[in-house]
Amino acid sequence: DIQMTQSPSTLSASVGDRVTITCRASQSISSWLAWYQQKPGKAPKLLINKASTLESGVPSRFSGSGSGTEFTLTISSLQPDDFATYYCQQYHLYSTFGQGTQVEI
Amino acid sequence: EVQLVESGGDLVQPGGSLRLSCAASGFTFSAYSMNWVRQAPGKELEWVSYISTSSTTIYYTDPVRGRFTISRDDATNSLYLQMNSLRAEDTAMYYCARGVDLATIGGLVYWGQGTLVTVSS
Repeated sequence: DIQMTQSPSTLSASVGDRVTITCRASQSISSWLAWYQQKPGKAPKLLINKASTLESGVPSRFSGSGSGTEFTLTISSLQPDDFATYYCQQYHLYSTFGQGTQVEI
Repeated sequence: EVQLVESGGDLVQPGGSLRLSCAASGFTFSAYSMNWVRQAPGKELEWVSYISTSSTTIYYTDPVRGRFTISRDDATNSLYLQMNSLRAEDTAMYYCARGVDLATIGGLVYWGQGTLVTVSS
C-alpha cells in the first residue's frame, strides 16, 4: 500500500498569509495526486488534479506542485473562505488519502 | 448539472448488512467509472471502492475486501455498495464520487451529500 503523509496536521495562519501544505508518498506516484478542501459537514471539493492542474472555478491563489514522492499545495494569500481541512489523495496505485491538514486562525 | 444522491445509510448491528445506493444524473453515467469514499466521524477520508465502465475492473481497499461488493446499473444510472459482515469500524459517512476523467480513481470532482452508516449494538 502507498502511504500518504501530510504536514503539518494543523496550521495556524492569518488572512493574507502564504500557506504551504506538504504531502509525501511512501513510493513514487508520478503526478497522480489530487488536493481537496473540506469544510465541516460538507463533501470534499477538488482543488488540484494531477499534482498541478487547477480545477475549473478554483481561485488562482491555489497552486500545486511536485512529482514522484513530494508534493505541495500553496495558498498564495489566505482568504477567510480558505479556513478548512485539506487532503491529498494519491491515485497511482488504487487510492490513499493523507490524514488531512486543518488550516485555522 | 451533475448530481449524485446517496441513500440507504442506517443504524445496523455488528455482523449485519446494508445496501447503499447512489442515483446519478446530469451526465452519461455509463461512460464514467465511479467510486465510493467514506469518512468516519472526525477522521480522514478513506477511499473504499472503484468500478469501471461495464464493471470490467473493480477495486477495494483491504479493510473491506471480501465483505463489500460494488456494482452499477447503467440502465437506471445507479451505483451500489453491498455491505456485509459490518463492523463498528465501518461506521462512517459514505460518499459516491465521480472523477474529472472518464476512468479514474482520483481527481474526484463530483460528490454526493453522503449517507451515514452507523454500526452499533
